[in-house]
Amino acid sequence: KQEVTQIPAALSVPEGENLVLNCSFTDSAIYNLQWFRQDPGKGLTSLLLIQSSQREQTSGRLNASLDKSSGRSTLYIAASQPGDSATYLCAVQGGSEKLVFGKGTKLTVNP
Amino acid sequence: DTAVSQTPKYLVTQMGNDKSIKCEQNLGHDTMYWYKQDSKKFLKIMFSYNNKELIINETVPNRFSPKSPDKAHLNLHINSLELGDSAVYFCASSPFGQGEEKLFFGSGTQLSVL
Repeated sequence: KQEVTQIPAALSVPEGENLVLNCSFTDSAIYNLQWFRQDPGKGLTSLLLIQSSQREQTSGRLNASLDKSSGRSTLYIAASQPGDSATYLCAVQGGSEKLVFGKGTKLTVNP
Repeated sequence: DTAVSQTPKYLVTQMGNDKSIKCEQNLGHDTMYWYKQDSKKFLKIMFSYNNKELIINETVPNRFSPKSPDKAHLNLHINSLELGDSAVYFCASSPFGQGEEKLFFGSGTQLSVL
């Protein structure tokens, strides 16, 4: 059974700092891994999707890496801004098409 | 232009009642999903439909019945609501339901059963 763990559960940083969010999963037989952002009352927004054959994806200030063999992914956020404050969720998709989510990391970027 | 919209946003009801949550997507996607986010913040899939056909049905009480009148709509009907049903329910869609796709989520329905 796939399990997804995200560390840390919460993170508070000053504006401008670069930061890394971690995600680990127990079953390396995945199709892809996605990072989502969850804002209160606004649902989930897909940020980056990494296919199992890829090692990283970049979008603006965000960079996500995937090491399938070790069951790890990181989300790197450069030059953080207060608007980046949200909960970041990692999810893996396996052969059953189900997405299995971690509990998320709540990020607060202080002005 | 909301891509995935679900209503209502908040639903407060008494135990034992029957309620429905509606979801619509205007993205032309073939696959739609219902996810439940419990108090521990875990998101778990409940159902998925592809072109109005049930594809995934997780271990969900049969009090929960999804209905897909067409591929743009996936409604969730819940009978005999229980306290433990209190959660945030998210609808989502994806183009084909294949492993290469991003999911698009609605803003969630916060259900509170009193």
